[in-house]
Formats: sequence, structure tokens, C-alpha cells
Amino acid sequence: QVQLQESGPGLVKPSETLSLTCTVSGGSISSYFWNWIRQPPGKGLEWIGYIYYSGSTNYNPSLKSRVTISVDTSKNQFSLNLISVTAADTAVYYCAGLAVGGPFDPWGQGTLVTVSS
Amino acid sequence: EIVLTQSPGTLSLSPGERATLSCRASQSVSSSKLAWYQQKPGQAPRLLIYGASSRATGIPDRFSGSGSGTDFTLTISRLEPEDFAVYYCQQYGSSPRTFGQGTKVEIK
Repeated sequence: QVQLQESGPGLVKPSETLSLTCTVSGGSISSYFWNWIRQPPGKGLEWIGYIYYSGSTNYNPSLKSRVTISVDTSKNQFSLNLISVTAADTAVYYCAGLAVGGPFDPWGQGTLVTVSS
Repeated sequence: EIVLTQSPGTLSLSPGERATLSCRASQSVSSSKLAWYQQKPGQAPRLLIYGASSRATGIPDRFSGSGSGTDFTLTISRLEPEDFAVYYCQQYGSSPRTFGQGTKVEIK
């Protein structure tokens, strides 16, 4: 079955760019829409956006001005860039797949990113 | 944006009891595209229910979902020790996809 694994720095300085990558294994990257979702410590879940293997994207308006999601089909990976981060961006970041018109499934295990100097 | 409000915030129950969790949407959820997830500490959310009432693969039948429009319910018929966790509802009928704030089911 499809498995997802997030990777990237666990610590980012304020005003810098948060960059994460999700590696897809056990299935084709063309099978799903690929999402980023985050969860601040002790809080709820926030959808960030998705990308399709063709490159089409859809972002949450609350983050749209700071977010870019890209895909590398040759590596079966997709990535998140979030610019101008502040402490409010400290969260566990999850990657997740979704089939057309479906819920988020599967999910990666998540990676904690802390924004601090 | 559709706002999802879950109630109660915390549910204190004993193993074997029935749990009823509510999720209310600020506007109608298209085609009952409402999902429920379970999250345990340090773990990613796990899909339980999609399409308001369909169980995901491998989910025990003590979990059931119901509702349509703006009111949805997740019921756990008899709580097992492994069911104590936080539960989130999520709508995927319109963009942006949104989550409720969660209901914690704790051991009484």
C-alpha cells in the first residue's frame, strides 16, 4: 500500500523559509492529490494545500501568499515551501494523499518543525 | 469556508460505554463529504469514516457515522481501551478543506 515519509529540518529561524519533502512509496504519484496538513502543538489540524502530479495546485487562502507546493515525479516526491515563518508556524507537518473527491488517506507519520532563533 | 464545530470538547466515559460525538457545519456539506479521524498521542490521524457513514478499510464495526447537511454524528457503540483518543471531523466537499477542533474521549 502507499506509504508517505516526511523529511526536512526540524528547526527554522524566524523570517526564513520552511522546506519539507514527502517521499511516496508503494504506489504511483499519479494516483492521488498530494497534501500538506499541519498541527500546532496541542491544537487542531489545518489543511495547507495540495498538488496533483500534473502540477496543478490548490492552497488554503489563509496561507496562500506564503506557500508553494511542488512535485518531482521522477523521484516520487512532493515538497512544501513556506516563506517568512514566525513562531506561529511551529507545528507537526503531515503529508497526506487523497483520491479524487475523497478524504485524507494515507498519512505520513508527521515531522515537527520548530521556528525559533 | 465551512466551519465545523465539534461537541463536546471532552467526553469522559468508561470502557464498554457508548460514545456519541457531534459535528455541526456552518453550511451544508456537499454530498455528505464528511470524514472522521482518530488521533492518538504522537501519531498521525487515522481515517475512520468517510462519506458520513462508510467505514474505512479495517475499521471495526463498533464505529459508525451518520448525518447529512449540517449535522453529523460519530458513534462508538462500546468503547474499547484503544478507543480513548481525540476524534476530528473534516469536510471535503468544498475548498478549503476544514477540520473541526476535535473531541477528546478520555477514560472516566
